[in-house]
Amino acid sequence: LAKTTQPISMDSYEGQEVNITCSHNNIATNDYITWYQQFPSQGPRFIIQGYKTKVTNEVASLFIPADRKSSTLSLPRVSLSDTAVYYCLVASSGNTPLVFGKGTRLSVIA
Amino acid sequence: DVKVTQSSRYLVKRTGEKVFLECVQDMDHENMFWYRQDPGLGLRLIYFSYDVKMKEKGDIPEGYSVSREKKERFSLILESASTNQTSMYLCASSLSGHAPRDTEAFFGQGTRLTVV
Repeated sequence: LAKTTQPISMDSYEGQEVNITCSHNNIATNDYITWYQQFPSQGPRFIIQGYKTKVTNEVASLFIPADRKSSTLSLPRVSLSDTAVYYCLVASSGNTPLVFGKGTRLSVIA
Repeated sequence: DVKVTQSSRYLVKRTGEKVFLECVQDMDHENMFWYRQDPGLGLRLIYFSYDVKMKEKGDIPEGYSVSREKKERFSLILESASTNQTSMYLCASSLSGHAPRDTEAFFGQGTRLTVV
């Protein structure tokens, strides 16, 4: 199972762009990269997924270099409500366990 | 919308009791998971199941067992609760197909268990 490494915590001011990088050196060919967001007292929820290059949705962008050994979650113009823990996960589909790491605690400051 | 429901939000049990945490999902997902979450340790996988009556150990199975008699229900059992099992427990489910979004996990609200 690919393990991931993320910064433990990050701070940002409101309105700034935040980039959180995740390392996954042992990613397998069939693995997808997925990011989750977790607010206090709630379960994590899916925010974005990608395989290679760039993916963008209404919440975030995900940048994946050609070697796929890392990925960067980009949150544009964060607000206080983006304060949460963000988890990077690599997994292939099928009957495989989903192994989360420790995540990155993002604190957005007014 | 997918719904994953955990039977209790808060639970207080005594040391040595047998504890059952129940999880039900309504989207016919094959995979189900149990995690515990502790401050600074992230989400740690206890057990997962990819089919009825099938189970696989995760990273921290010691002191726990699971049961999956029906596809929609996955139970976590603490055979003899101990204080170091005080934690937030999260259940999740996902499809087991081979499309990319099939790896998306849907989580319940969590059960905060306190063992005294």
